[in-house]
Amino acid sequence: DGGITQSPKYLFRKEGQNVTLSCEQNLNHDAMYWYRQDPGQGLRLIYYSQIVNDFQKGDIAEGYSVSREKKESFPLTVTSAQKNPTAFYLCASSRTGELFFGEGSRLTVL
Amino acid sequence: GENVEQHPSTLSVQEGDSAVIKCTYSDSASNYFPWYKQELGKGPQLIIDIRSNVGEKKDQRIAVTLNKTAKHFSLHITETQPEDSAVYFCAASHRDDKIIFGKGTRLHILP
Repeated sequence: DGGITQSPKYLFRKEGQNVTLSCEQNLNHDAMYWYRQDPGQGLRLIYYSQIVNDFQKGDIAEGYSVSREKKESFPLTVTSAQKNPTAFYLCASSRTGELFFGEGSRLTVL
Repeated sequence: GENVEQHPSTLSVQEGDSAVIKCTYSDSASNYFPWYKQELGKGPQLIIDIRSNVGEKKDQRIAVTLNKTAKHFSLHITETQPEDSAVYFCAASHRDDKIIFGKGTRLHILP
């Protein structure tokens, strides 16, 4: 089936550790995105990529990093520099504007 | 940059009644306005969208209206059903590559 796969679904991390969230798509979409969702805050854009080997910062990129080495993959690393990393993270891909979202990854920092 | 405001944050309606969610945007260059529905524990899904060259679009019980002059757009759900209970997000974009979302409306359909 075509779609967006995020893993892991739940992740626990100790303070000071980096963690990488996986996002894979088989929709052959050029554009991919990472959003962060907090209660009452909506969806805030972290990073996005229009094409392989290129990406841009969104509105809340501090403390995060990404790579786009393959069209199908857009992993997000939450670094120890991110002050409030506990959140629900959503990956999406896009063709002609419509976003297709994965099921999300819930990160909890202990 | 673009800023999208969405109201109300929570909305409760009786089953069978209509629900209206309103959004405003700041960037007059925005030309694409999608609405997403998010059910518990899942990612959002597109339910309807509108581009700035039309004022209204309808799909069965769901309609979206756009007022470019006032920079606001609204989602209308008629004959609400229990399965309409979810969080709804409006969004705006002017380049199809950076979509900015509102903060969401939690819709409760009361029996």
